[in-house]
Parts: sequence; C-alpha cells; structure tokens
Amino acid sequence: QKEVEQDPGPLSVPEGAIVSLNCTYSNSAFQYFMWYRQYSRKGPELLMYTYSSGNKEDGRFTAQVDKSSKYISLFIRDSQPSDSATYLCAMSRDNYGQNFVFGPGTRLSVLP
Amino acid sequence: TAGITQAPTSQILAAGRSMTLRCTQDMRHNAMYWYRQDLGLGLRLIHYSNTAGTTGKGEVPDGYSVSRANTDDFPLTLASAVPSQTSVYFCASSVSTGIGSYNEQFFGPGTRLTVL
Repeated sequence: QKEVEQDPGPLSVPEGAIVSLNCTYSNSAFQYFMWYRQYSRKGPELLMYTYSSGNKEDGRFTAQVDKSSKYISLFIRDSQPSDSATYLCAMSRDNYGQNFVFGPGTRLSVLP
Repeated sequence: TAGITQAPTSQILAAGRSMTLRCTQDMRHNAMYWYRQDLGLGLRLIHYSNTAGTTGKGEVPDGYSVSRANTDDFPLTLASAVPSQTSVYFCASSVSTGIGSYNEQFFGPGTRLTVL
C-alpha cells in the first residue's frame, strides 16, 4: 500500500460546480497537510496548508483534515476554467522538507 | 524576482552519457531539494540539502549525485544515464527546516529529460 493515495482522475466538471478532491494516507504520524496546484508543464505551487485536524478556508478553497479516518479533502467552490490543473496532496510528520510525501495528483478539468 | 530557475528546459540524452541539471534560487533559502515526477507516482525526492555544504539522500538517490557549494546553486548530476531516468525533474527550495514555522517549498519550472 502506498503511503499516500489519490485518485488520478481525470475529473471533468462544468464551470460553477463544487469540486471535491481527496487523499487517503496510512501513516498516523502525519501532522502537516498541504495541497499544491500544478498547471501543465509548470512546477507545483502551494494552495493550502493545514496543521493537524480541522478545516481551513481561503477564498473559494477549503481544506479539511480528518485524522481519525486518515483522509484529507480540498473543496473548490464556484469552479472556474482557470482551476483546470493537477492537484497534489502532500503530508509530513514534521516540518522538515525532506520528509514531505506527495500523492500522485488528480487532474481536474473545469469546462466552460 | 526570478525565484527558482532550472536549466535546461528539456533535453534528450543518449544512455550512458552524463549530464548536469542546473538549479539556482535567488530567495536565499537554506534548504533545497531535487524531485522527479513520473506519471502515477507523483513527486519523489532524489536528494536534498538543508544548508550549504551538506546534502542528504531522498527516496530514490541511486544514479544521481548533488553538491551544494553555496546557498544559491544545487546541481543534480547523472553520471551514466539510463532510460529509467526519463522523467520531469523539479528543483525546490524552502526557507529553513526550523521548527515552529511552516516550511513551504517553492518549485522551479522543471527539466524534461528523455534518456534513449
């Protein structure tokens, strides 16, 4: 079993839809949870960061962490064509960058 | 501000040849990382450096070497390329590995390498 699992998609939704992206993990020691967005032929860029459990909201984006289920989610409200990208989850047991574990990414297409 | 630059953008390399992928950051970040990204496998850490003069092995270090002579540069060398090293390579950097502050990684644009 991989340490971090993520449905690769592709996921296609109409503009304005609510998108739910998810990752599951097996290591109960993970405390730092991140979502990165990667446009085609570009490097990943950080979208959201959450420490431990709970929700975090930033504009149209909400990140949720459920440590009891080892499950994290990213919700995108009022999705836009510009949200079309690959979304990578990442997590770590500590704040040391060399210990970050990335999921394989979910490719999202928002259709106008 | 340029952030992180990588060179070349893409390269086709014959198996058995050597190559150095270049990475330079202008953010004065202490930590730097090299990842490879393969379809279905996500980003996997090759090597990292927490500060100039030190390096460490990541998840997939075999066939690669790095050096960190100064803060800004972190080259990745393939001594004798093999087809399984065909991938997209990303360099990243972060402020520090200090406890208490989130260690966001900033990524470069990537180098697409094909080994034939």
